[in-house]
Amino acid sequence: EVQLVESGGGLVQSGGSLRLSCAPSGFTFSSYWMTWVRQAPGKGLEWVANIKQDGSEKYYVDSVKGRFTISRDNAKNSLYLQINSLRAEDTAVYYCARGRLYCSGGRCSLGYFDHWGQGTLVTVSS
Amino acid sequence: DIQMTQSPSSLSASVGDRVTISCRASQSFSTYLNWFQQKPGKAPRLLIYAASNLQSGVPSRFSGSGSGTDFTLTISTLQPEDFATYYCQQSYSTPYTFGQGTKLEIK
Repeated sequence: EVQLVESGGGLVQSGGSLRLSCAPSGFTFSSYWMTWVRQAPGKGLEWVANIKQDGSEKYYVDSVKGRFTISRDNAKNSLYLQINSLRAEDTAVYYCARGRLYCSGGRCSLGYFDHWGQGTLVTVSS
Repeated sequence: DIQMTQSPSSLSASVGDRVTISCRASQSFSTYLNWFQQKPGKAPRLLIYAASNLQSGVPSRFSGSGSGTDFTLTISTLQPEDFATYYCQQSYSTPYTFGQGTKLEIK
C-alpha cells in the first residue's frame, strides 16, 4: 500500500525556518517525481514545488522561489521542503504527493498526483 | 500562468441527483487536466486524470470529459459520501494551478 507521511510542521515566527519531511512507503521512491502542495486555512490548493526522480530538475511557484528548497534523498527514502524567511501567508497545511507521468501527442510530462500524505501544518506568527 | 476557473463555486444537490461541475482554463492545453475530491480535514483524493481517465479505486459514477479549455466532472448518481469540495488542476505547465473549488452540499 502506498503511504506518504509528512512531518516537521509547527509554529514558527515570521522570518523563521522549518524543514518539512515526507516519508514514503509501499513504492520505489527513486522512480517517481514528487511534489509539495499547500492549503491555507479555509482556502484552496496551491502547488508549491516538484522534484524529478534523481533531483536534477526542480520547479517552484513564484511566491516561494528563493525561500523554499525542495530536495530528496533516495538512499534514505525521504523528501524534504526547506522553508526559509517564513511569512504569514505561508501558513498552511503542506502535503507531499507522488507524481505520475502523462504522455499526449508525443509529449510526456509530470501529469498528475496520485497519492497524497495527510499533511503537516505550518503556522507562521507575527 | 494558466488560470483555472470552476463553476459553480457551490452547489446544493440531493442523493441520487446527477451533478456536473465545469472547469475552464485561460489557455488551451489538450487533456492535462485532473480532478480531485477533498473532504474536511482530509487530503485531496485523485478522481480523474488526463481529463477522462478514472483513477484506480474510484467509483464509476465519476466521469470526466473535455479538451482544450473546457472540462467537466460528472457524478452520475450522487451518493452520501460524495458531498465534498472538488478541485480541477492543470498539469500542462508550471505553476500547476488549481481551480478555486466547488463545494457540493446536501440539499
